[in-house]
Amino acid sequence: GAVVSQHPSWVICKSGTSVKIECRSLDFQATTMFWYRQFPKQSLMLMATSNEGSKATYEQGVEKDKFLINHASLTLSTLTVTSAHPEDSSFYICSVGTVSTDTQYFGPGTRLTVL
Amino acid sequence: GESVGLHLPTLSVQEGDNSIINCAYSNSASDYFIWYKQESGKGPQFIIDIRSNMDKRQGQRVTVLLNKTVKHLSLQIAATQPGDSAVYFCAESPLSGNTGKLIFGQGTTLQVKP
Repeated sequence: GAVVSQHPSWVICKSGTSVKIECRSLDFQATTMFWYRQFPKQSLMLMATSNEGSKATYEQGVEKDKFLINHASLTLSTLTVTSAHPEDSSFYICSVGTVSTDTQYFGPGTRLTVL
Repeated sequence: GESVGLHLPTLSVQEGDNSIINCAYSNSASDYFIWYKQESGKGPQFIIDIRSNMDKRQGQRVTVLLNKTVKHLSLQIAATQPGDSAVYFCAESPLSGNTGKLIFGQGTTLQVKP
C-alpha cells in the first residue's frame, strides 16, 4: 500500500492562531487526497477531498474559509486551520487514494490542541 | 440515508480465540468495502477489502464476509493475539473505478485478554 506521512505529529497552539498540517504521499503521485477529523472515541469524519491543481471539495458543514486546503503537487497536500479555537482540537488524518482501486491509505495523524 | 454502523461498540475475547466483528451498511449501491484497524494515537491501517461481486475474501488470519442480501459485513480474526487489540472500522465506498469517498462506521473496540 501507499506510504503517507504527516507533519507535525502533534501541535499545541493558542486560540486565534493558524496551524498548517502537511500530508505527503511518499511513494506515489496522488491526484486525490482526503482530510478527516476524528474526535476521541468517535469515527472518522471526512472534511474535504483535495484534488491536485484544483479547489478542494468540502463536505457539508465544513467551513472552507476556516479549513484551507492546498494540493499544489502530486505528493503534498496541506490543511491550514485558521483562527483556531479550542473546539478545533482534534485528531486530523489525511489519506491518499489510488487510481487502480478505491482503497485509501492513511497517514499517522496530527493531534491538534488549541489552548 | 447512507450510513454504516457496527452492532457492538466493544468486543472482548480471550487470546487465541477467534474474533468476529460485525458491520451493517445501508447503501445498497455500495460496491466496495474495507476494514481498517486503528491503534491508539495512530492513523487507520488497511486490513482487507472486498468488492460486492464476492461473498468472502481471506487474508492472513483475517477473513471478510459480505452478505448483500441483508447488507452485512463481518471481519473474522483467527487466533486473536494481544497485538490485535485496537478499534476496527468498516468503510464503504459507493463509487467504483476511481478514488471516491469512504463512509466509515462507528468502530468496534477489540480487547484481547491474555
